[in-house]
Amino acid sequence: SFDLTQPPSVSVSPGQTATITCSGDKLGDLYTSWFHQKPGQSPVLVIFQDKKRPSGIPERFSGSSSGNTATLTISETQSLDEGDYYCQAWDSGTYVFGTGTTVTVL
Amino acid sequence: QVQLVQSGAEMKKPGASVKVSCKTSNNIVSRYAITWVRQAPGQGLEWMGWISAYNGNTRYAQNVQGRVTMTTDTSASSAYMELRSLTSDDTAVYYCARQELSPGHPLDYWGQGTLVTVAS
Repeated sequence: SFDLTQPPSVSVSPGQTATITCSGDKLGDLYTSWFHQKPGQSPVLVIFQDKKRPSGIPERFSGSSSGNTATLTISETQSLDEGDYYCQAWDSGTYVFGTGTTVTVL
Repeated sequence: QVQLVQSGAEMKKPGASVKVSCKTSNNIVSRYAITWVRQAPGQGLEWMGWISAYNGNTRYAQNVQGRVTMTTDTSASSAYMELRSLTSDDTAVYYCARQELSPGHPLDYWGQGTLVTVAS
């Protein structure tokens, strides 16, 4: 398998834009999903197939992918967006999760 | 409404086995693969494996291969994950998740998690 690397933490002011990157050697050939996890809760899918939002996920969440880097962007960040974010890719029948990024809204 | 409801917390001694269940609504296990993911305290998400809905085929992560068995029971609308020869490193919250059919197989619905504690 391969590794997906994320920054350990991102800080953002309320109303500003948070950007989280996910890098991996094979990511350019694979679809990326993103999950949001609050303390004590199960992960929630917020982006799949690089840029699609599941129903019920606010438009503030957007995804993109270029080369071997996928990016999750949270616009107009709110306090409820705090928590851990994980990227994930499906590669030849296995799931690979990123290292995780803690988003703090200051 | 899609729901995955997992069994309750377990406390096990080193060397023992644990079996976690995941009861699904609308008999999801008969139509969707189920993936299992675990999360050690303060750590990230770790994929453990999945089981196919159609033929019961399984795929396990290398680090649990040989110690884990995933099964389903469509009559009970449930999936199960058994982990053997437990050590303290297996202390974690274990999640089941539905594996969506579209490209990339996103994990779109998750169970609430089951805490397994391994201690002597």
